[in-house]
Amino acid sequence: AQSVTQPDIHITVSEGASLELRCNYSYGATPYLFWYVQSPGQGLQLLLKYFSGDTLVQGIKGFEAEFKRSQSSFNLRKPSVHWSDAAEYFCAVGRNYGGSQGNLIFGKGTKLSVKP
Amino acid sequence: DTGVSQNPRHKITKRGQNVTFRCDPISEHNRLYWYRQTLGQGPEFLTYFQNEAQLEKSRLLSDRFSAERPKGSFSTLEIQRTEQGDSAMYLCASSLEIGAPREQFFGPGTRLTVL
Repeated sequence: AQSVTQPDIHITVSEGASLELRCNYSYGATPYLFWYVQSPGQGLQLLLKYFSGDTLVQGIKGFEAEFKRSQSSFNLRKPSVHWSDAAEYFCAVGRNYGGSQGNLIFGKGTKLSVKP
Repeated sequence: DTGVSQNPRHKITKRGQNVTFRCDPISEHNRLYWYRQTLGQGPEFLTYFQNEAQLEKSRLLSDRFSAERPKGSFSTLEIQRTEQGDSAMYLCASSLEIGAPREQFFGPGTRLTVL
């Protein structure tokens, strides 16, 4: 079955520290991979996406993620966290219909808290 | 590009009542998706449309749920005979399907509370 696992429910980091949020997926075909961020009471904002090509992808707000096929992972990183990064982060797999994309399958999310 | 909009933003209803939500996608986006998000969970897929055709429904979409996109533009999601378990955030997303993967843009959601 297709699934996305985010093993960390809640992470707290100090402002200025580096961040890595983990994501593992289970999907039979080549996955389309996404990271979204959700602030309280808000919808989801796309941080970055991977469709093909370079396995290190850059996103908005200084985030990057690396696709590792051998580990079925797509971890999100940021070198220096800002207080405004406190939010909930969701990893998602897009279903691959022979190059076209169907619905997204989301992980349960990781809540990020930032200490001053 | 005004983004995806959803109305209402909040809905409180009593168990057994019917509710209807509306989603206006980004103009010219031919794909429209509905997801449901409960507390502490990621969004779960409900159904999606390409233009006016409903292409897929998840097993989460019980008989009490119906979705339409009559003219291939806005969409409505109706829940009949609401139950307390229907309390959730209902998210709409849209994308432009051109035979290649594209990101989905999400609206702010409609939060439903069933008393």
